[in-house]
Amino acid sequence: QSVLTQPPSVSGAPGQRVTISCTGSSSNIGAGYDVHWYQQLPGTAPRLLIYDNRNRPSGVPERFSGSKSGTSASLAITGLQAEDEADYYCQSYDSNLSRVFGTGTKVTVL
Amino acid sequence: EVQLVESGGGLVQPGGSLRLSCAASGFTFSSYDMHWVRQGTGKSLEWVSVIGIAGDTYYPGSVEGRFTISRENGKNSLYLQVNSLRAGDTAVYYCARSPSGSYVFDIWGQGTTVTVSS
Repeated sequence: QSVLTQPPSVSGAPGQRVTISCTGSSSNIGAGYDVHWYQQLPGTAPRLLIYDNRNRPSGVPERFSGSKSGTSASLAITGLQAEDEADYYCQSYDSNLSRVFGTGTKVTVL
Repeated sequence: EVQLVESGGGLVQPGGSLRLSCAASGFTFSSYDMHWVRQGTGKSLEWVSVIGIAGDTYYPGSVEGRFTISRENGKNSLYLQVNSLRAGDTAVYYCARSPSGSYVFDIWGQGTTVTVSS
């Protein structure tokens, strides 16, 4: 079961900025645990996109950024490109449930 | 190149068993926590087990008692024994790596598919 809530879908035209929210609770994000984000292109495995709330692994474009505040986190894609069309998942740690993922968000490039 | 390659998935009847394997390469396998994460068709991701560098294991309630994670550092291999399978266990099973003590999954395999059906 997903204890982190994300919008099912977001969309934007090429070049636009889109944001994806990840809402948790006092037992996970609100307890101070870091949030990580993964990108899953169609038919492929997830790959780490953002770790520890705002850090990008080597090779991830600068147009991806993350933030966290209170019991929520956000992923922003600035300058949306066609290749960004994918599913995105947030992930954190829950003091009751251990590792937990978000419900997932499908990003569509119009 | 850092790589994880899963194998062992397949079609199994309800109540049956399978042993999934994950071959690691390109990094010091024994220095990382290793996990299994699954994804049902059209569904989100679900963490199903972890084995730490000291061999400690943890599971969520949905699989505890039915799934067993193990590792063989000398062979750079991770395993998941899945027993008493149910239809709800049908999913793609990914192995994933975490820096020891961290909660982030920094490297993922390509996945192996388990289908539970009569």
